[in-house]
This record gives sequence, C-alpha cells and structure tokens, in this order.
Amino acid sequence: DQQVKQNSPSLSVQEGRISILNCDYTNSMFDYFLWYKKYPAEGPTFLISISSIKDKNEDGRFTVFLNKSAKHLSLHIVPSQPGDSAVYFCAASALIQGAQKLVFGQGTRLTINP
Amino acid sequence: DVKVTQSSRYLVKRTGEKVFLECVQDMDHENMFWYRQDPGLGLRLIYFSYDVKMKEKGDIPEGYSVSREKKERFSLILESASTNQTSMYLCASSPLGVTSHNEQFFGPGTRLTVL
Repeated sequence: DQQVKQNSPSLSVQEGRISILNCDYTNSMFDYFLWYKKYPAEGPTFLISISSIKDKNEDGRFTVFLNKSAKHLSLHIVPSQPGDSAVYFCAASALIQGAQKLVFGQGTRLTINP
Repeated sequence: DVKVTQSSRYLVKRTGEKVFLECVQDMDHENMFWYRQDPGLGLRLIYFSYDVKMKEKGDIPEGYSVSREKKERFSLILESASTNQTSMYLCASSPLGVTSHNEQFFGPGTRLTVL
C-alpha cells in the first residue's frame, strides 16, 4: 500500500505565478515531512521540511503547509521561476526497523513556462 | 558539504550478468540506503544499513543483495541481472539518530540498462 501519495504526475505553471504541489499520507506516526527536488540525471536534493507538530514552514519562495487532520501537505512556490522545473518528491519520515527512514511519493513533474 | 558518490553514472549490462553498484559517502554517516526510481512509482527502498556489516531489507529486496564492509562504502549487487531491473539507482546516507528533519543525502544516481 502506498503510504505517501502524490496524485498529480505533472503540473504546468506560468512563470511568475504560484505553483502548488500536493501530497497525502496515511500513517499518523510520521514525524517529519520533506520535499526533495530532482533534476534529470541528478540525485534528489533536499528543499524544505516541516515537523508534524507545525502547520507551516517558510523558506524564501517556498512554503510547506501541513494539515494533520486531513493527512495532507502542500508545497507552494511563489513566484515560480524557470529553474524550478524539476520533479518534486514528497517524503515522510518515521522510525522503522531501528532507523529513521523516508517513505517517498511518486513524484510530480513541474514545468514552468516562460 | 556532504558528498555521496556513485561509481558509474550510466551502465549497460546483459541479462544474467552479475552487477555491482558502488556508493561512497564522506561524512562519516552511519546510515546508508539504496533506492530505485521508476516513473510513476517514486523512490522505493531496496536495502539499508545502519552500521558496518549490518543490513536490513527494504520494500523491494528481491533480486538484490548488499555489502557494507567499511562505514563509508555501501555496495548493491544484482546477482543475475534481469530486464525488469532496468532503472535509476540512487544511494543515500544519513547520520545516526534523529536530526533536525531527518534528511537523507543522495548521490547522483546510476542509470542501469539491462539488455
């Protein structure tokens, strides 16, 4: 079963507008939620995170919102820039089998159009 | 800066060959992980290790094995490669215990094609 889901495989946004990427999860034991950004032929790089006890975390153009009752989080990018075009993975952290592990969503390909 | 390196960026192998993928990290991290990334499936954990000579199965260990003889090096082995193992393989590391947000640091990936 997929514990972390990103239901939108792709998203296209005009440069300068807001990009909103969504993620849903099923396990209430997750303690942190992270967003990773991945360019083709490169490894994922950490973007922003949020603790399960918070509802918002902001870092420059990036803001992550967490709605625990709905088991939903979202990443807002504003304003969107062409360099933001990449695949974005949502990940959830939990202590599993004695180690802090990440469970990843399927990814959303974001395309920023000039 | 944390650096995770993988031995090859691109690899082409034939069905039935034994394949070794090597990963090295330079930050003295205890935890190391191997994932594969496939379109529409995200990153799926194959194996992880939290100490030298220790290994634990992830979500999709079938057809794979691992080796961790030194703290900085974690190897993924495909004993007999099959076409359904064509994928992007990603190695990651993280320090022991809970950090500020439990980030894992990834290598650049190895694109493996099995013919």
